[in-house]
Amino acid sequence: NAGVMQNPRHLVRRRGQEARLRCSPMKGHSHVYWYRQLPEEGLKFMVYLQKENIIDESGMPKERFSAEFPKEGPSILRIQQVVRGDSAAYFCASSAPRGRGANVLTFGAGSRLTVL
Amino acid sequence: RKEVEQDPGPFNVPEGATVAFNCTYSNSASQSFFWYRQDCRKEPKLLMSVYSSGNEDGRFTAQLNRASQYISLLIRDSKLSDSATYLCVPEGGSSNTGKLIFGQGTTLQVKP
Repeated sequence: NAGVMQNPRHLVRRRGQEARLRCSPMKGHSHVYWYRQLPEEGLKFMVYLQKENIIDESGMPKERFSAEFPKEGPSILRIQQVVRGDSAAYFCASSAPRGRGANVLTFGAGSRLTVL
Repeated sequence: RKEVEQDPGPFNVPEGATVAFNCTYSNSASQSFFWYRQDCRKEPKLLMSVYSSGNEDGRFTAQLNRASQYISLLIRDSKLSDSATYLCVPEGGSSNTGKLIFGQGTTLQVKP
């Protein structure tokens, strides 16, 4: 069991470029969560997805950020026109369906975005 | 009021000491509670779930007080390897979709 896989682990972008972060959940997990951690701060919830559905996006910035979890393939967090303030560690986590160990999140190693 | 409040510390303790961390949460509808551990610049890892009756896992004891909306973690016989940031994590948020809300964390440094 490979656990939650995130890539790239490190990504450098210039202001105005796009960043795409990918996350493959643990085998058997159908729920994916994205969190952002700014330097010296705590984890902030961004979005919660199931396959082809966004369940809760209350933590997503209103502009430039989007997330998807298609029927096939990994979940993707997309940041358009990146700014320096987007520099952070982006953690993906997955969990089993509700009622079977739900809410116990397993995290990936994170993707560290640096915007120059 | 913040959804989760923790004393950021750092708590500096000698090896073998007992240390306790506290956390308050604002969402009275939260049903699940956890403590996670985060080592510097790495991903958070589940330390233990927190049950209403309190639970113990080796040197770690977690307590939940729903009436006061308060969670605690006690670490006995601290080891150097316990040095990390400890994150208090209730389920919830106003929409109560099951997402977990992470506290800022309490940093523990165990010294030889």
